[in-house]
Amino acid sequence: QVQLQQSGAELTKPGSSVKISCKASGYTFTSYDISWIKQRPGQALEWIGAINPGSGGTGYNEKFKGKATLTVDKSSSTAFMQLSSLTPEDTAVYYCARVLAYWGQGTLVTVSS
Amino acid sequence: DIQMTQSPSFLSASVGDRVTLSCKASQNINKYLAWYQQKLGEAPKLLIYNANSLQTGIPSRFSGSGSGTDFTLTISSLQPEDVATYFCLQHNSWLTFGSGTKLEIK
Repeated sequence: QVQLQQSGAELTKPGSSVKISCKASGYTFTSYDISWIKQRPGQALEWIGAINPGSGGTGYNEKFKGKATLTVDKSSSTAFMQLSSLTPEDTAVYYCARVLAYWGQGTLVTVSS
Repeated sequence: DIQMTQSPSFLSASVGDRVTLSCKASQNINKYLAWYQQKLGEAPKLLIYNANSLQTGIPSRFSGSGSGTDFTLTISSLQPEDVATYFCLQHNSWLTFGSGTKLEIK
């Protein structure tokens, strides 16, 4: 069965960077895009961007250009998202998803001094 | 960019009620519209895809309709386990989520 397993919660300081992972299993990793989605506490979902694991091609929401960088490691069927220059407004749960039906469990990133 | 507007933002209804949620797109998205249910502390769960197709394993009391810019999610008989926030998602051009409808039992 299709599964997306995300890395654990992160506590980071303002100005730092964080890299979270999403390990895919149960399907051919290179055949489907992986999207990343942000959800702040009590807020709606925001699409950050997507990556094609086969080609490495990416597309980003304009709002997150310069903030998020998407990469993959095909050898381990893992997608990564790096968030840079973190501020408290980046505190959120981040999901990876093989849209439409398959989502990771979410990774809580907390930015606090 | 395509904007998605959901209404109402909050809805309180009784068990057994017929409930209708709305989602409007800022431009034509054909039928590239999905509905999700999100319970507290969980990832979103896909209910409806292609505007009106029921995802496998989802109870038949959930249904979707619409095309173009106006879409509706209907719960034919509200159950206590349906308490959640419901989001729409357009995937005609990248992805845009609606702001959500929080559904509670009266």
